[in-house]
Amino acid sequence: QSALTQPASVSGSPGQSITISCSGTASDLGYNNYLSWYQQRPGKAPTLILFDVSDRPSGVSNRFSGSKSGNTASLTISGLQPEDEADYYCNSYTSFSTWVFGGGTRLTVL
Amino acid sequence: EVQLVESGGGFIQPGGSLRLSCEASGFTFRGYGMIWVRQAPGKGLEWISAITGGGGVTYYADTVKGRFTISRDNSKNSLYLQLNRLTAEDTAVYYCAKDLGGWPFYFANWGRGTLVTVSS
Repeated sequence: QSALTQPASVSGSPGQSITISCSGTASDLGYNNYLSWYQQRPGKAPTLILFDVSDRPSGVSNRFSGSKSGNTASLTISGLQPEDEADYYCNSYTSFSTWVFGGGTRLTVL
Repeated sequence: EVQLVESGGGFIQPGGSLRLSCEASGFTFRGYGMIWVRQAPGKGLEWISAITGGGGVTYYADTVKGRFTISRDNSKNSLYLQLNRLTAEDTAVYYCAKDLGGWPFYFANWGRGTLVTVSS
């Protein structure tokens, strides 16, 4: 099972919006809507920020939103803030009863 | 408050074995699936194994199937990962995570991780 494909890095200025893409195959992203996103700040454990493509766990800012079409998903962060600087990972449940992460995207807030 | 504390990591020679533990508190342990995820130094996240709340069903990534074994003891609120036939490619921080609740598993709460270093 190959990793989902994410851009290595994205950047934006405070207040702007950015989008991180995540692409897969018919066996993962195209198989169902069991997609989640995780934020990992430097030196910290990851945290869940979106599940079921676009649902936010309690306590997660509504500046984080998600979407999916076919084999591609996106995470959008609006109103960028310095504390959003982190690594972001998508994750999908697969048709093989496994889970697969994307390679990760480093977000830099300029 | 959900707390997950991993332990058991360390330095091990190639071909060796190690048992990781994850002690859980702050929730009804037997009611949730549990997951292990690892992260090699400077690399991304890799899902490696999961287990249902009752422990009856387990899941493994191809990279560890046949070498690693996940288990749990609900009487001790503990999750385990037995690592056998270790190679340098298994060097990573190993995180345990708690499911959000439901199916499939989402990795809602994470421990701080335990570092496993495989080297001669």
